Amino acid sequence: DAKTTQPNSMESNEEEPVHLPCNHSTISGTDYIHWYRQLPSQGPEYVIHGLTSNVNNRMASLAIAEDRKSSTLILHRATLRDAAVYYCILRRKTSYDKVIFGPGTSLSVIP
Amino acid sequence: DTEVTQTPKHLVMGMTNKKSLKCEQHMGHRAMYWYKQKAKKPPELMFVYSYEKLSINESVPSRFSPECPNSSLLNLHLHALQPEDSALYLCASSQVLRQPSSGANVLTFGAGSRLTVL
Repeated sequence: DAKTTQPNSMESNEEEPVHLPCNHSTISGTDYIHWYRQLPSQGPEYVIHGLTSNVNNRMASLAIAEDRKSSTLILHRATLRDAAVYYCILRRKTSYDKVIFGPGTSLSVIP
Repeated sequence: DTEVTQTPKHLVMGMTNKKSLKCEQHMGHRAMYWYKQKAKKPPELMFVYSYEKLSINESVPSRFSPECPNSSLLNLHLHALQPEDSALYLCASSQVLRQPSSGANVLTFGAGSRLTVL
């Protein structure tokens, strides 16, 4: 499985944008980039995914570098509810039923 | 219904007990997953079922025995566990997307069952 690297932890002030980076230098052409987050005492929840183009949904935006070796999850206005561990994951089309989590980034939001 | 329901939420068992964890979804998903999560660690994949057949076993000890009796239900039978098996057990489900879209597959997780082995 392709490896991703993320910072162990990040801090953000409430109501400010947050940019969570992910490096995936061994990404292959057909790998999708997925983000999940896990709030305290809950199961992970899907945030967003993309293949080549930038993506937006109601929760976040995903910016994918032109060479696809890195991506950034953007939370436009951090709230206290966004404090969670954020996982960046690559999904290979050849192993469609495996989702392997890396260590993730623990995001703290300061009021 | 867009939920994955796991029961029980908490389970305490002795090393000689036999117990089961249950997971249910009614989203029509045909892939179901068990993960194990220790404190402050990411979830670790244990098993994957696709169309009610076991497709992945990540070298899990035989004291964990999965079962998928139908497309909505996934069980994890526990027997002769060790204290180090204490963890949060997470169930997830997803559609089964065929290539070339299979990498777009999104998982829906339950809230987990917290297991303590004494």
